[in-house]
Amino acid sequence: GDSVTQMEGPVTLSEEAFLTINCTYTATGYPSLFWYVQYPGEGLQLLLKATKADDKGSNKGFEATYRKETTSFHLEKGSVQVSDSAVYFCALSDLQTGANNLFFGTGTRLTVIP
Amino acid sequence: GAVVSQHPSRVICKSGTSVKIECRSLDFQATTMFWYRQFPKQSLMLMATSNEGSKATYEQGVEKDKFLINHASLTLSTLTVTSAHPEDSSFYICSARDWVAGSNTQYFGPGTRLTVL
Repeated sequence: GDSVTQMEGPVTLSEEAFLTINCTYTATGYPSLFWYVQYPGEGLQLLLKATKADDKGSNKGFEATYRKETTSFHLEKGSVQVSDSAVYFCALSDLQTGANNLFFGTGTRLTVIP
Repeated sequence: GAVVSQHPSRVICKSGTSVKIECRSLDFQATTMFWYRQFPKQSLMLMATSNEGSKATYEQGVEKDKFLINHASLTLSTLTVTSAHPEDSSFYICSARDWVAGSNTQYFGPGTRLTVL
């Protein structure tokens, strides 16, 4: 079945450091891939998405490229800020299986220290 | 972008009472909405899929008689936790699917924190 495996946290970085959060997936069809961010006490916000192989999603300095050959969708940011501290969820949606819902990774907590 | 609201954001109730949570898509129509539950420091667990004008589809292990879902319009879905007990205390999050050609994006509400005393 469909699943998402996400790098376990927590991750602690200094401000302006480079961020990578790994995400790999298993899907029977051709999924759409997403990164969501959850700030403390809030719901999830869509950060970026990619709907087909080799697509690059980007937003707020974050990027992720849909790699079909490695079944990966790693999240990167060149220079993190304190305000990026949050929990990041990788997710997939696979319409070809008939599933309506998103499959989420376990989440990675990022803390950025000044 | 698409906005989803939830009300209330926080509710405290006594054991045995029922609580209704509303989920609204503010600037788009959502034929499908989803209800998730999140325990502290854990990922989201899908509870049910709510389809406008039809019965909700519940995930395995979720009691449909305890978690009543109604999706009466294209912009509103409600979750009612009936006869709530302390173990129902959790963070409940809804999402609504906004169909765009070639994508299947869900937009999430801000969540409702339920505390049952």
